[in-house]
Amino acid sequence: GAGVSQSPSNKVTEKGKDVELRCDPISGHTALYWYRQRLGQGLEFLIYFQGNSAPDKSGLPSDRFSAERTGESVSTLTIQRTQQEDSAVYLCASSLELAGGPFHEQYFGPGTRLTVT
Amino acid sequence: AQSVTQLDSHVSVSEGTPVLLRCNYSSSYSPSLFWYVQHPNKGLQLLLKYTSAATLVKGINGFEAEFKKSETSFHLTKPSAHMSDAAEYFCVVSERRGSTLGRLYFGRGTQLTVWP
Repeated sequence: GAGVSQSPSNKVTEKGKDVELRCDPISGHTALYWYRQRLGQGLEFLIYFQGNSAPDKSGLPSDRFSAERTGESVSTLTIQRTQQEDSAVYLCASSLELAGGPFHEQYFGPGTRLTVT
Repeated sequence: AQSVTQLDSHVSVSEGTPVLLRCNYSSSYSPSLFWYVQHPNKGLQLLLKYTSAATLVKGINGFEAEFKKSETSFHLTKPSAHMSDAAEYFCVVSERRGSTLGRLYFGRGTQLTVWP
């Protein structure tokens, strides 16, 4: 079946512009995560959506970053007034997590490579 | 708090020799531990996972890892390296609460090079 998809695959933007990144999770997956991977580094957690619960935004690095999710489907990550340090690969993952259910792994999308010039 | 330390940023081995990628973790709760692999220009793929069942975990492509609570380690091993194993490997920890994993904490990664 279809995996997690992300768009665009690459985005080059000028410093100060806003960008919007999209994630389409696996159908039926209740949980959705955004991570950031800077060059040569591991992944940094940004935000986590689980069903109808309030999202865990504890990883967002500044108030320029925000994310939304419509129900249990598409999510968008918005970065306002981009800075050069925002350049990274932004990865989305989804998982089927049900309260009281068994463990399910996170499936990752291919990522969006953001370059801020 | 959770954290992961991958002790080697680069590991080089010859094809056919054993692979050892080291990982130590810190967790306030009973952890779930994972190894993910990232091949060039490809997405992250789960190699194996430990979620409080058997301490020796077998994964795909002949990899395995052993959870050692006393040493807070979760090292990844493979008896015989193959050229196709060359990739970036990430050790990952999560505080598991019931069936909810929540956020994952990634190590900085170990780049594995396999020489012919």
